[in-house]
Amino acid sequence: EVQLVESGGAVVQPGGSLRLSCAASGFSFDDYFTMHWVRQAPGRGLEWVSLITWDGGVIYYADSVKGRFTISRDNSRNSLYLQMNSLRGEDTAIYYCARATSWDYYFDYWGQGTLVTVSS
Amino acid sequence: QSALTQPASVSGSPGQSITIACSGTSSDVGGYNYVSWYQQHPGKAPKLMIYDVTNRPSGVSYRFSGSKSGNTASLTISGLQAEDDADYYCSSYTSISTSYVFGTGTKVTVL
Repeated sequence: EVQLVESGGAVVQPGGSLRLSCAASGFSFDDYFTMHWVRQAPGRGLEWVSLITWDGGVIYYADSVKGRFTISRDNSRNSLYLQMNSLRGEDTAIYYCARATSWDYYFDYWGQGTLVTVSS
Repeated sequence: QSALTQPASVSGSPGQSITIACSGTSSDVGGYNYVSWYQQHPGKAPKLMIYDVTNRPSGVSYRFSGSKSGNTASLTISGLQAEDDADYYCSSYTSISTSYVFGTGTKVTVL
């Protein structure tokens, strides 16, 4: 069974940093799966944040986080990460990791999410 | 990149059919057959319901179907059931910034 489990969410002050993790199981993490981060502000819609291809060779970010967030993965640990710096109030959201195959443009499995709250 | 446009809410009685529209541009919905739809119940993660405009993943009810015309994609739920009461989001690949864009979301209420 495919499982994605996010962790690392917390309350952080504006300007602070946080690192999210996503532990994957039930599939071959390094086997041509692109991983994404998608977020959802409280009571709001979904917003795509970033993607990283299976080998880390291609990375993209939404304009709203470019230059502040860094996506990475460790295939030996079956893990995906999101380093978030210079956090702002508008970054407050549930952050989901989601899986896609390298040649597809949809998210077939999602984690349950981890809550990040940026507040003083 | 602006979000795709969806109606805020749609409602229907059990057994009826409803359709949710998802309006975009030629850079996203209209330019690629990469529209997907997600169902989200309160406090839960989104679930893939339709991919590549018309395809249904294994395990998703045949009552869910997708289509596209020009820059607008649609999700139809036929034979509405109580468990269909949820939020629905469309998504598309977009050539702008080589990324993805979601719809504004539609709350489906089963009366």
